[in-house]
Amino acid sequence: DSGVTQTPKHLITATGQRVTLRCSPRSGDLSVYWYQQSLDQGLQFLIHYYNGEERAKGNILERFSAQQFPDLHSELNLSSLELGDSALYFCASSARPTSFEQYFGPGTRLTVT
Amino acid sequence: DQQVKQNSPSLSVQEGRISILNCDYTNSMFDYFLWYKKYPAEGPTFLISISSIKDKNEDGRFTVFLNKSAKHLSLHIVPSQPGDSAVYFCAASFSGNTPLVFGKGTRLSVIA
Repeated sequence: DSGVTQTPKHLITATGQRVTLRCSPRSGDLSVYWYQQSLDQGLQFLIHYYNGEERAKGNILERFSAQQFPDLHSELNLSSLELGDSALYFCASSARPTSFEQYFGPGTRLTVT
Repeated sequence: DQQVKQNSPSLSVQEGRISILNCDYTNSMFDYFLWYKKYPAEGPTFLISISSIKDKNEDGRFTVFLNKSAKHLSLHIVPSQPGDSAVYFCAASFSGNTPLVFGKGTRLSVIA
């Protein structure tokens, strides 16, 4: 158990809908990272927050947004969902803003039908 | 454009033998490399890392080798155990506030 929690575990929704994925980092960790893993793909970095502020952005679509709240949990919002958004979404946390050793949650599997 | 490549999608090894997982990278600016292990229905777990100032790092049964001139790293697992069966991801990063760049993973099966 990495100490990182993600909810929900599974999500099935229709095209055009909007969903929110939630992540709680390990106790004391200030950094939260979001990744997307599509079929047969590696982990694609989406966005990084440190202590409530956005620190880095990867290949995140404009339809996607994220935020980190004062209690350090983070939410990833996906809107106008398309079939291609079906993937595993992982959240990871680390103690420092540039820690390479990130601790991953179990992921949320999103299926868009 | 894949900056980190794991060209073998899968690998089967007998229990007790050596497992060698390979990873190539294209960007010579990468200076920190990591290996993660992932079991089904779980998130990736950090395994071992190496800085570009080293060419080898060892942790128990796991050793990572880095060949900067070839832009290649490898993970050796000796001896391999059935519990090592998982997907292994190679990742790379630059120093500073940059994200990890992951390969697509290699599925290792250790056969008893």
